[in-house]
Amino acid sequence: GQQLNQSPQSMFIQEGEDVSMNCTSSSIFNTWLWYKQDPGEGPVLLIALYKAGELTSNGRLTAQFGITRKDSFLNISASIPSDVGIYFCAGPPIAGGTSYGKLTFGQGTILTVHP
Amino acid sequence: DGGITQSPKYLFRKEGQNVTLSCEQNLNHDAMYWYRQDPGQGLRLIYYSQIVNDFQKGDIAEGYSVSREKKESFPLTVTSAQKNPTAFYLCASRKLAGGTLSYNEQFFGPGTRLTVL
Repeated sequence: GQQLNQSPQSMFIQEGEDVSMNCTSSSIFNTWLWYKQDPGEGPVLLIALYKAGELTSNGRLTAQFGITRKDSFLNISASIPSDVGIYFCAGPPIAGGTSYGKLTFGQGTILTVHP
Repeated sequence: DGGITQSPKYLFRKEGQNVTLSCEQNLNHDAMYWYRQDPGQGLRLIYYSQIVNDFQKGDIAEGYSVSREKKESFPLTVTSAQKNPTAFYLCASRKLAGGTLSYNEQFFGPGTRLTVL
């Protein structure tokens, strides 16, 4: 099935640094979702993107829907210790048939923030 | 407060036993999903349901079963046929199409960690 390639797989940064991660697909998406998962918890939706080129912010988080509709980016500014977790991109595949709202997930980016 | 609850948080099972994981939502969402997460990996879809009394297999349905007798509830049974059941299980739900793309958004419960002894 379709896959989302998320990079980097992991990041180790100092508190206060900015973070960038991205997600790419071989096919187009009409929605990009970014989730954060704290250790031992379920993912929480951070940002949803619905339009190519769209740039959306949520506090220190900014995400962009790529113009080609095959990629998306998430940036975190001035990182803090509570940013630690796994960040997932996700989207519903468009190609063919009824997806029943199924989402394809990236493998996740593990973020570690050193105080 | 509206949300999704999963119980128990931790579950231990002996080999050869079936076990049922609970998922309840009071968001009035129509569709519900079960995912499995293994360490260092993304989420893999086990089963999903659009409406009551109807459900479809996901990518890794073998060894699992579900039921959808009520809109609010979507329990998952991990059977003895599942070869490697130790994992973190996540339930999610979403509202059906309402004229905007926001219907793609899925909301997750806190998860159940299953360990087979």
